[in-house]
Amino acid sequence: EAQVTQNPRYLITVTGKKLTVTCSQNMNHEYMSWYRQDPGLGLRQIYYSMNVEVTDKGDVPEGYKVSRKEKRNFPLILESPSPNQTSLYFCASSFLSQLRGEAFFGQGTRLTVV
Amino acid sequence: GDSVTQMEGPVTLSEEAFLTINCTYTATGYPSLFWYVQYPGEGLQLLLKATKADDKGSNKGFEATYRKETTSFHLEKGSVQVSDSAVYFCAPRAGKSEKLVFGKGTKLTVNP
Repeated sequence: EAQVTQNPRYLITVTGKKLTVTCSQNMNHEYMSWYRQDPGLGLRQIYYSMNVEVTDKGDVPEGYKVSRKEKRNFPLILESPSPNQTSLYFCASSFLSQLRGEAFFGQGTRLTVV
Repeated sequence: GDSVTQMEGPVTLSEEAFLTINCTYTATGYPSLFWYVQYPGEGLQLLLKATKADDKGSNKGFEATYRKETTSFHLEKGSVQVSDSAVYFCAPRAGKSEKLVFGKGTKLTVNP
């Protein structure tokens, strides 16, 4: 089954404690990205990757890191989480061509930083 | 930068009512256009898409037409059901970063 898998689904952590949210896709997609969803703001892109070892900042990259060592995986790293990073996070993947541009989303990770 | 203006919600309708959710966008170049739906507690799912002007996307009774001249992609359904209750997002995809640009979402509640 074609899917994007995120883990964990829920996470409560304390300020400053490094964490990683994993994302994996099984569709051989070149393009992967991370979004955060906040009430009244919709979804905003954090980082994206167009292929292995190619990553770039989205609209709200501050406080986040990513890596793309393998095509299927795109982890999101918060090295020193702060309460303003409390949010619902989504990983998405797609083929790069716009004509096949449908993005598939993971189930989301609800992160609370206290 | 690219942006989306989406009809503010929440929208509450009775079952079998007609639905329109307006969406207008600004985007670099020639975007593909998408409507995504988010059911409670779930991730986003593609509802429909259109990749060029005058294309009509359709799925599950929902329709939207790519109007390049008015930069709009309004979502319609002739007869909504309780199961359509969800949050709907309009999103063009374009630009160097190929990112999806989301509207703020429109929450739809359909009452029996």
